[in-house]
Amino acid sequence: DSGVTQTPKHLITATGQRVTLRCSPRSGDLSVYWYQQSLDQGLQFLIQYYNGEERAKGNILERFSAQQFPDLHSELNLSSLELGDSALYFCASSVAPKQETQYFGPGTRLLVL
Amino acid sequence: AQSVTQLGSHVSVSEGALVLLRCNYSSSVPPYLFWYVQYPNQGLQLLLKYTSAATLVKGINGFEAEFKKSETSFHLTKPSAHMSDAAEYFCAVSGPGGGADGLTFGKGTHLIIQP
Repeated sequence: DSGVTQTPKHLITATGQRVTLRCSPRSGDLSVYWYQQSLDQGLQFLIQYYNGEERAKGNILERFSAQQFPDLHSELNLSSLELGDSALYFCASSVAPKQETQYFGPGTRLLVL
Repeated sequence: AQSVTQLGSHVSVSEGALVLLRCNYSSSVPPYLFWYVQYPNQGLQLLLKYTSAATLVKGINGFEAEFKKSETSFHLTKPSAHMSDAAEYFCAVSGPGGGADGLTFGKGTHLIIQP
């Protein structure tokens, strides 16, 4: 158990819909990262927050957005969902934004039908 | 831009044999390198990391990796494979310099252990 929690574990929805994935980092970690794992793209970094502020963006689509709240939990919002958005979405956390080990949560498996 | 190449999407070894998973990186600055393992239906677990200290890094479950700057490699080894080592292994790079702080992952290597 890494100490990072993600909810829900599974999510099934339809094309065009919007979903919210939630992540609680390890106690004491200020930085949260979101990754997408799919069969064709592999593991891709989406976005990073540090202490409530967006710090870095990776390959995140404009239809996707995220935020980190004062209690440090984070939410990833996916809208106008397409079949290709079906993937495993991981959250990771670290104490500091650079150089530190990232601890991964168990992931949320999203299936868009 | 940083990149990671893992040679071999599948590697099969016999139980008790040497495990060698290959990783080569491309980075414009001295990198930090990581190996993660993913068991079926689970998240990623850190095996070991290189952060510019000793070039031979020991990790959990008997794994180790050696950073070779001249070869831009960070191969993962284990002297004797166990059935429980069957999993997906990912090499990742994160630069300590500028740029995004997210990890760049390789495509992964599926390790199969033959009884």
